[in-house]
Amino acid sequence: QKEVEQDPGPLSVPEGAIVSLNCTYSNSAFQYFMWYRQYSRKGPELLMYTYSSGNKEDGRFTAQVDKSSKYISLFIRDSQPSDSATYLCAMSDAGGTSYGKLTFGQGTILTVHP
Amino acid sequence: EPEVTQTPSHQVTQMGQEVILRCVPISNHLYFYWYRQILGQKVEFLVSFYNNEISEKSEIFDDQFSVERPDGSNFTLKIRSTKLEDSAMYFCASSDRGFDQPQHFGDGTRLSIL
Repeated sequence: QKEVEQDPGPLSVPEGAIVSLNCTYSNSAFQYFMWYRQYSRKGPELLMYTYSSGNKEDGRFTAQVDKSSKYISLFIRDSQPSDSATYLCAMSDAGGTSYGKLTFGQGTILTVHP
Repeated sequence: EPEVTQTPSHQVTQMGQEVILRCVPISNHLYFYWYRQILGQKVEFLVSFYNNEISEKSEIFDDQFSVERPDGSNFTLKIRSTKLEDSAMYFCASSDRGFDQPQHFGDGTRLSIL
């Protein structure tokens, strides 16, 4: 079983739609969960950072973590064409056995069309 | 907004040659990382670095790789004798107060080995 699994898509939605992106993981030691956005030929840009289980909201973005199910989600409300990018989930158990190692999902390619 | 800068954006090198990739982390950050992304694959952790020492490294980070913080602002990755399979995007990242803090990435150096 892969440590972090993410559906690569591609996902295509109309402008204004609610987008749901998901990752599952197998390592129960993961405590820190991140979502990054990556535009073509650019580095990962941090969108959301959460610790342990729960929800976090920032503008149009909501991150959810369910540690009991080993499942994390990112919701994008009122999606815009500028949201078209690859979305990467990443996680770590920093403070446990890890010293900052992030484990990434494959990335989901999202296209929001006008 | 402070950012991580990487140079060069693209490096072309003959197989067997040494290459140095350079990074300037965010100025008040103390924790540094290198990742790589082979075309079409996941972002993979290489190494984390704090207080002038390697804190953690992956199996990829063998004796051909080394990292250095030669002064107060730069952080470098050296590959001593490049192989074809070293061709990838290399990303530098930094975080401020600890390994559990969010990591901010540069836009990467595309390394092409001929």
